[in-house]
Amino acid sequence: AQSVTQPDIHITVSEGASLELRCNYSYGATPYLFWYVQSPGQGLQLLLKYFSGDTLVQGIKGFEAEFKRSQSSFNLRKPSVHWSDAAEYFCAVYNTNAGKSTFGDGTTLTVKP
Amino acid sequence: DGGITQSPKYLFRKEGQNVTLSCEQNLNHDAMYWYRQDPGQGLRLIYYSQIVNDFQKGDIAEGYSVSREKKESFPLTVTSAQKNPTAFYLCASSIPTGGIGYTFGSGTRLTVV
Repeated sequence: AQSVTQPDIHITVSEGASLELRCNYSYGATPYLFWYVQSPGQGLQLLLKYFSGDTLVQGIKGFEAEFKRSQSSFNLRKPSVHWSDAAEYFCAVYNTNAGKSTFGDGTTLTVKP
Repeated sequence: DGGITQSPKYLFRKEGQNVTLSCEQNLNHDAMYWYRQDPGQGLRLIYYSQIVNDFQKGDIAEGYSVSREKKESFPLTVTSAQKNPTAFYLCASSIPTGGIGYTFGSGTRLTVV
């Protein structure tokens, strides 16, 4: 069965600093990987996705992620964090055979002024 | 614009009552999903449907029921058999292959008193 681990429950960064959120997955085949963002009391919004091709993918709001098969990782990065990036971030892997996604437990990002 | 509408946003019910949460999408997506979100536990899959008139149990289906009579609609009923129904419920939709990621509704917060 597939699984997703987000090792960091909570991360605090200063505004303007760089950000990296970690995601490790377990999946037997080539994974479909996603990052989502959730503001308090809202639904999730898709930031970016990977399922083939270039291992460095660009998303919305200036985010990017790199797929590393050897490390089973799909870490999310942003060069310079803005206060509006404070939210909860979820990594997910989609199981193409089962037709459903498994989500990590999320990482809460706090941005210090 | 296309999207997913969940209603109501807030719902209060007395213990022992069944309650139905609405989820409607106009994205022409075949697949629809219900997730439950509790603090610190990420998203847990309740039920999902890949096509009209068919649905599958997710990881925590006990105490819930669904129907999929129309492509656009996937209502979730929280029954009195659900031991701890107070939670934030999220509906999502996608194409069957999942490659585009999920589109989420804005959620329904159910409180049982």
